[in-house]
Amino acid sequence: SQTIHQWPATLVQPVGSPLSLECTVEGTSNPNLYWYRQAAGRGLQLLFYSVGIGQISSEVPQNLSASRPQDRQFILSSKKLLLSDSGFYLCAWSVGALYEQYFGPGTRLTVT
Amino acid sequence: AQSVTQLDSQVPVFEEAPVELRCNYSSSVSVYLFWYVQYPNQGLQLLLKYLSGSTLVESINGFEAEFNKSQTSFHLRKPSVHISDTAEYFCAVSDPLNSGGSNYKLTFGKGTLLTVNP
Repeated sequence: SQTIHQWPATLVQPVGSPLSLECTVEGTSNPNLYWYRQAAGRGLQLLFYSVGIGQISSEVPQNLSASRPQDRQFILSSKKLLLSDSGFYLCAWSVGALYEQYFGPGTRLTVT
Repeated sequence: AQSVTQLDSQVPVFEEAPVELRCNYSSSVSVYLFWYVQYPNQGLQLLLKYLSGSTLVESINGFEAEFNKSQTSFHLRKPSVHISDTAEYFCAVSDPLNSGGSNYKLTFGKGTLLTVNP
């Protein structure tokens, strides 16, 4: 069966520091991968998606970037965090003809 | 692009009472609809989905949702809720990522917090 991992689970970082969040998927090949951010009362916002290694698309301009160095690995990064980057970050995958997406456990990021 | 409106941000109910969480979406030729549930500090879990066929879809834990094309709605219902159903519920619609329509993203509503009180 497929599983999705995210780490770290929680992170507290000062403004201006770098960021690296990692997501890995097991049990499937060539998944579509997604990064979402969830802010209180605002639902989920799609940040990036990837349909293959090295293929990254951004949905909104922001202080973040994403990379996909391996088929089942998706990384969210920032060179300098802003206070507004605080939130709950969720990674998700889908594959093939599936329209639904499956989510990881999330990373709670607090920028101080 | 699609949009999703969840009409109630919070729904408090008593245990064993029925509940309905409302969801409306913007119209489209083809639409695929989902309900996800999120427990505190956890990821989202797929609760149920409508892709085609019967307009009434059910989950394994007693929830059901009905796709109503004329009213562009996909309301979630449960006839008798439990304390353990307390969570945030998100309605979502699939939205093509590109003009070819071979890859999709999910557009979410802002969520409804269901609180079940004893």
